Amino acid sequence: AQKVTQAQTEISVVEKEDVTLDCVYETRDTTYYLFWYKQPPSGELVFLIRRNSFDEQNEISGRYSWNFQKSTSSFNFTITASQVVDSAVYFCALTSSGPYNQGGKLIFGQGTELSVKP
Amino acid sequence: NAGVTQTPKFRVLKTGQSMTLLCAQDMNHEYMYWYRQDPGMGLRLIHYSVGEGTTAKGEVPDGYNVSRLKKQNFLLGLESAAPSQTSVYFCASRNRVREAFFGQGTRLTVV
Repeated sequence: AQKVTQAQTEISVVEKEDVTLDCVYETRDTTYYLFWYKQPPSGELVFLIRRNSFDEQNEISGRYSWNFQKSTSSFNFTITASQVVDSAVYFCALTSSGPYNQGGKLIFGQGTELSVKP
Repeated sequence: NAGVTQTPKFRVLKTGQSMTLLCAQDMNHEYMYWYRQDPGMGLRLIHYSVGEGTTAKGEVPDGYNVSRLKKQNFLLGLESAAPSQTSVYFCASRNRVREAFFGQGTRLTVV
């Protein structure tokens, strides 16, 4: 079975602090894809990043960075110098191509609510 | 370019009533999904489809039915609404290896 665990339900930081959101996944397939989404207070779901299982290179996009480690089945998300506008719920998601996914199921974690205070 | 469109955006139902939520995508995506979002529960997969004419159960399928008669549309039905189905419903679509695109959500209240 596939599973995504975001153990941090809520995180509160003060503006300009760095914050890391954890994501741990489980899958038996060898080809899989991981995603991060942001859900601001307005409610829409905004895609942030996609990573496939064959690409362990970490990625940086402005203040955002992602650390993918297959050895620990983790795909963590770090916001550097957080801002009030980063306040949102962040979701990690997993899908895979293989016999254990029954074709395309896309599973989300429970989400981490980040609150950045001025 | 509309992307993924959900209708309606809001609805109030009485217990026992039925309704259909419509999801339409104009990106020619193969895969489509219905999720429900409840406080503290994240996004839970109700049903999904990997192509026209095919559907499969997700994590929480009970009380819901779906149909994918046309590639661009994915319908979610509630035959007899219950208060436990009060939730925000999201539809999404994607191609096999790409990210999912989401609709704006439907806020459903069952009284």
